[in-house]
Amino acid sequence: DVKVTQSSRYLVKRTGEKVFLECVQDMDHENMFWYRQDPGLGLRLIYFSYDVKMKEKGDIPEGYSVSREKKERFSLILESASTNQTSMYLCASIFDGDSGNTIYFGEGSWLTVV
Amino acid sequence: DAKTTQPTSMDCAEGRAANLPCNHSTISGNEYVYWYRQIHSQGPQYIIHGLKNNETNEMASLIITEDRKSSTLILPHATLRDTAVYYCIVRVWGSYIPTFGRGTSLIVHP
Repeated sequence: DVKVTQSSRYLVKRTGEKVFLECVQDMDHENMFWYRQDPGLGLRLIYFSYDVKMKEKGDIPEGYSVSREKKERFSLILESASTNQTSMYLCASIFDGDSGNTIYFGEGSWLTVV
Repeated sequence: DAKTTQPTSMDCAEGRAANLPCNHSTISGNEYVYWYRQIHSQGPQYIIHGLKNNETNEMASLIITEDRKSSTLILPHATLRDTAVYYCIVRVWGSYIPTFGRGTSLIVHP
């Protein structure tokens, strides 16, 4: 089975701290994504990457950056955490099959910024 | 990717079939219909997908209308564990930017 693993399930950080959220997938997928999910707003795309060292902005990239040094790992970075970044963060990767693409998600990381 | 419209919420009695509709009237010929669900506090999970024909797997059935402008996800015998938010998305094969709407919150009651 495909596994997408997010390193931290629950984090509490202080305003202004630098925060790293790590995501690793074990199936050699090329495309990886970071979303955040807030009540009533659904899943919003922050950044995505379609190859090592490649990154593209999603719908809400402000306040975030990403790193993809190895194919299996896609990191989300909050340079200076703020309270409005309190949210659940979801990492995903895509499997390109013969009949379409299946998206695999991690379990999510709940970040609270105080 | 084509936009989808789903009801905000639905409920279903345990043991009965749950039929979740999705409208995708602007779907293109090469766009697949995908369904995912998200149980509270977990990441979304793939359920099923299809292009034109109806599909069935161990989790659910997907019925796509002949004009492909709408589809229905069927959970044949809903259980309490099926309480979740269900997302319908349409994607072009090879397009790698999945966009999720707000989904349908399904509540299965005893």
